[in-house]
Amino acid sequence: GQQVMQIPQYQHVQEGEDFTTYCNSSTTLSNIQWYKQRPGGHPVFLIQLVKSGEVKKQKRLTFQFGEAKKNSSLHITATQTTDVGTYFCAATGGSYIPTFGRGTSLIVHP
Amino acid sequence: NAGVTQTPKFQVLKTGQSMTLQCAQDMNHNSMYWYRQDPGMGLRLIYYSASEGTTDKGEVPNGYNVSRLNKREFSLRLESAAPSQTSVYFCASSEALGQGKAFFGQGTRLTVV
Repeated sequence: GQQVMQIPQYQHVQEGEDFTTYCNSSTTLSNIQWYKQRPGGHPVFLIQLVKSGEVKKQKRLTFQFGEAKKNSSLHITATQTTDVGTYFCAATGGSYIPTFGRGTSLIVHP
Repeated sequence: NAGVTQTPKFQVLKTGQSMTLQCAQDMNHNSMYWYRQDPGMGLRLIYYSASEGTTDKGEVPNGYNVSRLNKREFSLRLESAAPSQTSVYFCASSEALGQGKAFFGQGTRLTVV
């Protein structure tokens, strides 16, 4: 079955530093989605990537989908304390059943 | 427009007890999902319903059953709770299976003692 690896598991940064989380799949994907979960909260949708090599931006967040549609990344520029939370990728293959990565917990030190 | 509503928010069960987690969405979505979340494990799919009238097993279905009561409602039942089922449970819905934005409920924190 589809396996999704997400790294790193944790990332400590000083406020203002950049942050990147990576998601890698063992199979070619139909799409990949990114979610953010605040401590004690529920996952909230950020974005969906569908096309090979796609790059999308949301303010300080940049999302990329690899050319082979097997990997993706989320990059945050100049982190703020409001960015604290766990970021999950959700990968969907040919079966259209989403598989979540284990998440990357971002801790921002003021 | 409430989105996805889960009940209850918290529950403590004794080993062997049964309970049903309720989930309803008001967005006319076709697909609904039940996940469990354990520390360091991400979200693991228990069961899903691609459309009204269908349900399928996900990654971790053992010990659970589901019912897609109608297009709005998707319930999760624990017939005989075990301590290993202590977890946070999330219901989610999307317009189509695995495509587009998924909306999550607030979660149910279940403890089995």
